[in-house]
Amino acid sequence: AQSVTQLGSHVSVSEGALVLLRCNYSSSVPPYLFWYVQYPNQGLQLLLKYTSAATLVKGINGFEAEFKKSETSFHLTKPSAHMSDAAEYFCAVTHSNSGYALNFGKGTSLLVTP
Amino acid sequence: EAGVVQSPRYKIIEKKQPVAFWCNPISGHNTLYWYLQNLGQGPELLIRYENEEAVDDSQLPKDRFSAERLKGVDSTLKIQPAELGDSAVYLCASSPNRVGELFFGEGSRLTVL
Repeated sequence: AQSVTQLGSHVSVSEGALVLLRCNYSSSVPPYLFWYVQYPNQGLQLLLKYTSAATLVKGINGFEAEFKKSETSFHLTKPSAHMSDAAEYFCAVTHSNSGYALNFGKGTSLLVTP
Repeated sequence: EAGVVQSPRYKIIEKKQPVAFWCNPISGHNTLYWYLQNLGQGPELLIRYENEEAVDDSQLPKDRFSAERLKGVDSTLKIQPAELGDSAVYLCASSPNRVGELFFGEGSRLTVL
């Protein structure tokens, strides 16, 4: 079965600083990988996805992620944090063997300080 | 385009009482999901529908949980009887059948006293 591990349940950055949220996956077959964001009291929203095309994936709001097979990683980055980026971020994985059911990580809470 | 609509947003009940949650997916989305989200955790799949057929309900605790999706549109998730451990947010999502692209509702937060 496939799974993801998000390193760090809480990450704090200063406004304007680099955002780096870590995600490692475990999958016996080539995975599809996703990042979702959840703002307070809202549903999850897709940020970006990797589906075996380009390894560097760009998403909404200036976020991007790079699929690194050798490191089994799919870390999320943004060059300059905004206050509005404060939210919960979830990494997720799926593949055809599971009927494409998404398995989510436990999430990383991003705090942006002035 | 209207998003996924869920109701109620909040529900407080006593243990052993029944509760039901309703979901209206985005028009044209054939796939519908119910997820459970505990505090500080990621969503966990309860059930997935393709049209009106439940194609994956392996994680649904069938002794107390039930779900239906009549006519392949709206869906209802029911818990009877509720237990203290059921306190969580119940998320509904729908998909246009693009892999992993789910559109989530705002969730229904259940508190069992």
